[in-house]
Amino acid sequence: KQEVTQIPAALSVPEGENLVLNCSFTDSAIYNLQWFRQDPGKGLTSLLLIQSSQREQTSGRLNASLDKSSGRSTLYIAASQPGDSATYLCAVRPGKAAGNKLTFGGGTRVLVKP
Amino acid sequence: NAGVTQTPKFRILKIGQSMTLQCTQDMNHNYMYWYRQDPGMGLKLIYYSVGAGITDKGEVPNGYNVSRSTTEDFPLRLELAAPSQTSVYFCASIRDAHYGYTFGSGTRLTVV
Repeated sequence: KQEVTQIPAALSVPEGENLVLNCSFTDSAIYNLQWFRQDPGKGLTSLLLIQSSQREQTSGRLNASLDKSSGRSTLYIAASQPGDSATYLCAVRPGKAAGNKLTFGGGTRVLVKP
Repeated sequence: NAGVTQTPKFRILKIGQSMTLQCTQDMNHNYMYWYRQDPGMGLKLIYYSVGAGITDKGEVPNGYNVSRSTTEDFPLRLELAAPSQTSVYFCASIRDAHYGYTFGSGTRLTVV
């Protein structure tokens, strides 16, 4: 059974510092991995989707890497801003299971202090 | 383009009552999902559907039922509400495996 872990559960940084968020998964046979942002009391907003054949994806200040063999993905947020404060969730889609179901990590709650 | 729409946004139920959480998408996606999120936790899959007329159980299906009579709609039914069903419920859809998920804004349900 696939298990997804995000450590740390919470992170606090001063504004301007780079953020590094970790995601690990136990079964390397994944189809793709998706990073989401969730603001308090809100839904999930997709940030980046990395296919299993890719090593990284970039969007603005966000960069996500994927190392399937070691079961890890890292989300980098450059020059953090208070508006980046949110919970970040990673989710993996298995390579062969029916239904394209996602397995989620527990999330990392980020606070960027002005 | 509305994406995935969930109603209601908030609801308080008494123990034993029933209700239906509505979910509709206008992107012609075949795959639809219901997840629940408990405080401070990740999301757990309740039910999913790979197309109209086809549904299957996820990780935590007990106490829930679904139907998928059209491509657009995927309602989630709670028959006898219990306090353990207090949670935030999210509906999501995808076109196929190569694409990312699109989530609705959620329904916050409290059972008292």
